[in-house]
Amino acid sequence: DTAVSQTPKYLVTQMGNDKSIKCEQNLGHDTMYWYKQDSKKFLKIMFSYNNKELIINETVPNRFSPKSPDKAHLNLHINSLELGDSAVYFCASSQGSGSPLHFGNGTRLTVT
Amino acid sequence: DAKTTQPPSMDCAEGRAANLPCNHSTISGNEYVYWYRQIHSQGPQYIIHGLKNNETNEMASLIITEDRKSSTLILPHATLRDTAVYYCIVRGYNQGGKLIFGQGTELSVKP
Repeated sequence: DTAVSQTPKYLVTQMGNDKSIKCEQNLGHDTMYWYKQDSKKFLKIMFSYNNKELIINETVPNRFSPKSPDKAHLNLHINSLELGDSAVYFCASSQGSGSPLHFGNGTRLTVT
Repeated sequence: DAKTTQPPSMDCAEGRAANLPCNHSTISGNEYVYWYRQIHSQGPQYIIHGLKNNETNEMASLIITEDRKSSTLILPHATLRDTAVYYCIVRGYNQGGKLIFGQGTELSVKP
C-alpha cells in the first residue's frame, strides 16, 4: 500500500507542451504539498494545500497550477513547458501543517 | 535559506553507530529540529524530530544540546541500506508545514 503515490514516474516532453502530474494520498491527511528537486539536488517547496485551500505559493511561475479536487488529491498542471522545468517533482502530505511530511517517490520530468 | 549547517559527506562502517552533526545556531524557541533522509531515487523519508529533549524511535536517536544550537542524529547500528543524504531541518509550527532543505550530509555506509 503506497501512502503517497504519484503518476507518472517519468515524463519526457517537448518545450511548449502542457502536462499534468497526479498525486494521491491514502493516509487521510488534510495537507498536501508539491516540492521540486533541481539538478543540483536542492529540494524546494512550491505549493501547499490544506483541505483544498491554497496556503503556500512560493513565487512559482503561473504556468504551474495546482488543483486539489479533494483533500486526498493534489495534481500539478504545467503549461508551456520550458527546459528549466526539468526536475524531479515530489508530492507530500501531512496531518496539519505541524506534523511530519510523507513524500511520494517523485516524478522525473524531462523537457527537450 | 536553510538555517542549518551540515558536513557535506561522512563515511561509516557497517554495524557501527553513525553520528551525524547539525548546527542551527539561529534556531528560535518555538522551532523544532527535524531529520529526513533521501535514499537514491526515492522521496525524502521522515526520521525523527525534537524540540529540546532527546528523542528516540525505532530508526534513530536525536540528541539536542542544552542551548539548542546544535544536534546529532545517531543511527545506532548502520546498515548498507542507511546510505543516503540526511537532512537536518529547523521548522516552526507557524510556517504552514514548509520544510527548507539544505544540502544535507551524504552518508556512505561501507562493508
